[in-house]
Amino acid sequence: NAGVTQTPKFQVLKTGQSMTLQCAQDMNHEYMSWYRQDPGMGLRLIHYSVGAGITDQGEVPNGYNVSRSTTEDFPLRLLSAAPSQTSVYFCASSYSNWWQGSSETQYFGPGTRLLVL
Amino acid sequence: AQKVTQAQTEISVVEKEDVTLDCVYETRDTTYYLFWYKQPPSGELVFLIRRNSFDEQNEISGRYSWNFQKSTSSFNFTITASQVVDSAVYFCALSEAGNTGNQFYFGTGTSLTVIP
Repeated sequence: NAGVTQTPKFQVLKTGQSMTLQCAQDMNHEYMSWYRQDPGMGLRLIHYSVGAGITDQGEVPNGYNVSRSTTEDFPLRLLSAAPSQTSVYFCASSYSNWWQGSSETQYFGPGTRLLVL
Repeated sequence: AQKVTQAQTEISVVEKEDVTLDCVYETRDTTYYLFWYKQPPSGELVFLIRRNSFDEQNEISGRYSWNFQKSTSSFNFTITASQVVDSAVYFCALSEAGNTGNQFYFGTGTSLTVIP
């Protein structure tokens, strides 16, 4: 299993540009989430999905769109990048019944570092 | 309001010292889950432990131990005989059973530096 993969690892954008951060998992997890990590702020939930075709907003959804057309993929779209979106983005996935059993709850990708100029 | 508070922003200890990282949480749910993650300088997030609200037993895993106290809404993490490899940012997190999905609330993290 590759686990949770994210591409690209690093991206520089100009203000106003659009881009899609890719996230994929091969563990057949129902749940997937996007977080952003900013200095002194910890990780904050942007959007999440409980299954294909179902998405919902997290704590900081403004400026981001998501879709979940397949179980495996959960892309995050920035329609018009702003400097405030400079951050490290983490994708995570888990089973819907993660509270059962003793295995790791959320599996995180390696992160995408985004710089918006 | 912050659901998870890690008041210690940065801690420095000398190798072999013990260190405790504090975590205070806030929730109205009776069923919830608490987590600790480690983020080494390489940037990935490493899962350390998950604890549910019905299990207040302390847990020990090698040099790591966790103290869960519902009475004070705390889930503290102690590293015994710290090592340089323990240098990292540590995050405490909360998930409430009432969530419709997969919402996890993270603290702001504690940066631990272990000095050789």
